[in-house]
Amino acid sequence: DSGVTQTPKHLITATGQRVTLRCSPRSGDLSVYWYQQSLDQGLQFLIQYYNGEERAKGNILERFSAQQFPDLHSELNLSSLELGDSALYFCASSVGRGSEAFFGQGTRLTVV
Amino acid sequence: EDQVTQSPEALRLQEGESSSLNCSYTVSGLRGLFWYRQDPGKGPEFLFTLYSAGEEKEKERLKATLTKKESFLHITAPKPEDSATYLCAVQAQSGAGSYQLTFGKGTKLSVIP
Repeated sequence: DSGVTQTPKHLITATGQRVTLRCSPRSGDLSVYWYQQSLDQGLQFLIQYYNGEERAKGNILERFSAQQFPDLHSELNLSSLELGDSALYFCASSVGRGSEAFFGQGTRLTVV
Repeated sequence: EDQVTQSPEALRLQEGESSSLNCSYTVSGLRGLFWYRQDPGKGPEFLFTLYSAGEEKEKERLKATLTKKESFLHITAPKPEDSATYLCAVQAQSGAGSYQLTFGKGTKLSVIP
């Protein structure tokens, strides 16, 4: 167990809908990262937060947004969902801005 | 743009047959190179961080090494429970405070009893 908690584990929703994925980082970790993993693309970086502030953006679509709250948990919001958004979404956390990141077990999103 | 290429894509070994996985990278200033293990449907599990050429780290049957252009993950006398996908990732030096990892697509290792 990495100490990073993601909910829900599985999510099935229809195209055009909006969902929220939740991540609780390891105790004491200030950095939160979101990654998307699909079969053909591998792990793709979406966005990073450090202590509540956005630090970096990767290949994150405009339909996606995220935030980190004062208690350091983070949420990833996905809207106007398309079939191609079906993937595993991982959250990772690290104690500092450059240290190793520990991953949660992921949320498997299926858009039908 | 940072790039990570892992080879081979898949590797089948007999139990006890040692081998190496390769990770080639191009990055504008390497801050760290990371190895993770991922089981199907699970999150990546951290194995090692390497920071400078010549550095080596070991854990049980695994040893990771780093040069200026690539890293190797050596697996000595593997067991079936070592079967997994092994991911390599690089972290670039950044003055902007961003520390995301760029991942390779992984090597899927199967160890046959």
